[in-house]
This record gives sequence, structure tokens and C-alpha cells, in this order.
Amino acid sequence: DAKTTQPPSMDCAEGRAANLPCNHSTISGNEYVYWYRQIHSQGPQYIIHGLKNNETNEMASLIITEDRKSSTLILPHATLRDTAVYYCIVRHKAAGNKLTFGGGTRVLVKP
Amino acid sequence: GAVVSQHPSWVICKSGTSVKIECRSLDFQATTMFWYRQFPKQSLMLMATSNEGSKATYEQGVEKDKFLINHASLTLSTLTVTSAHPEDSSFYICSASAGTGKNEQYFGPGTRLTVT
Repeated sequence: DAKTTQPPSMDCAEGRAANLPCNHSTISGNEYVYWYRQIHSQGPQYIIHGLKNNETNEMASLIITEDRKSSTLILPHATLRDTAVYYCIVRHKAAGNKLTFGGGTRVLVKP
Repeated sequence: GAVVSQHPSWVICKSGTSVKIECRSLDFQATTMFWYRQFPKQSLMLMATSNEGSKATYEQGVEKDKFLINHASLTLSTLTVTSAHPEDSSFYICSASAGTGKNEQYFGPGTRLTVT
């Protein structure tokens, strides 16, 4: 699976949009971009995934660049409960569902 | 929907004893379950992949005789840490996938193992 690069940490203000970048410059055409988050001492939580089109659900929006070499996860109105480590993962459709977690971005939402 | 539970949520055991951790998919049938280990301030590391009714596939460097995995039904997988040592103290997390096309993994809440 393609490797991803994320900033190790970022702060954002409560109530504002949080934009989390992810670089995956070696992504191939049949690899998906997945986002999970892990709140302290809990299991990871699925957020969203996409292939090439932008995606939106009740939790977040995923914006994938046209060349698919990077993406941005957008939390539209960050709350204190969004404080977590966010993982961007690229996974091949036929990879047997294996997820390879990188370092992630530690997001701290401040009041 | 898509709830995965783990039991126990935390356990303390003495060095040399064995500990069993259960992972259950509560509202779906999990054809595949995964076991991860996470040390403090580190990311999750995949230990093994198990498919119902077959032997688990272990990642490189994970001792299959030490970490016994059983996936006997579509809703239950167990991880047994045999002859535990303090260096096995970690956060163990399972995930489950229904394998129905979306291929999303749903994670359990994790089990904190402390070996004294």
C-alpha cells in the first residue's frame, strides 16, 4: 500500500473548520484513501473514504486532488470531542482489508 | 450498527501466565477479523489477520505460538497471549470486517494488558 505523510500535530479552534492534510504521492489508480480517528485509549473510528471523487458524510468531508496525490479531511465545525489522532490510510481494493497505520496527526481542539 | 466489543477492557496478569482476549461483532457477521497492538504514543501495528474457520495469517515478526488466534465463528475471535511477559504489556485492539464490498473495518474499544 502507498505510504502517507501527515503533519504530526495541529491545533484548531472550537467551532471552526479543521482541515487535515495528507500526502500520498505514490498512490495507484485502484487504491482508496481512508480516514480513521482514535480518541485517547479507544479503538479507531472510521470516518470516511474515497477513490477520486470528493465525499461527504455526517462526520466530515474528504477532498481528493485531481491527481490523487493528496487529500484533505475537513471537519466542518470542530468540537472538543474531535480531539484525537487522525489517520490517513491508503489501501488497495484487493489488499484483503489490511490497514497500515502511519503516525497520524494529533489534533487538539481548543476552546 | 457495526458494533465490535472486546472483553476484558483491561487485565492485569502475572508474568508467565496466559491471557485470553475476546473480540465479538455484535450486529454483523465478520468474515475477517484483525488483531492490532499499540504501545504508548505509537501507532497501531497489525499482528494478524484471521478468517472464520481457517488459520490466522501473522505479520512478520509476530510469534504465532505466543499469540494464539482462534476465529471459530462469524462473530467471535480470540487472542491468547501465552506465557506473558512485561514486554507484552500493551493495548490490544481487534477489528472486524463483513467483507460485503464496502470492506470497512470496525474496531473494538481495545484491551489494556499489563503484565507484572
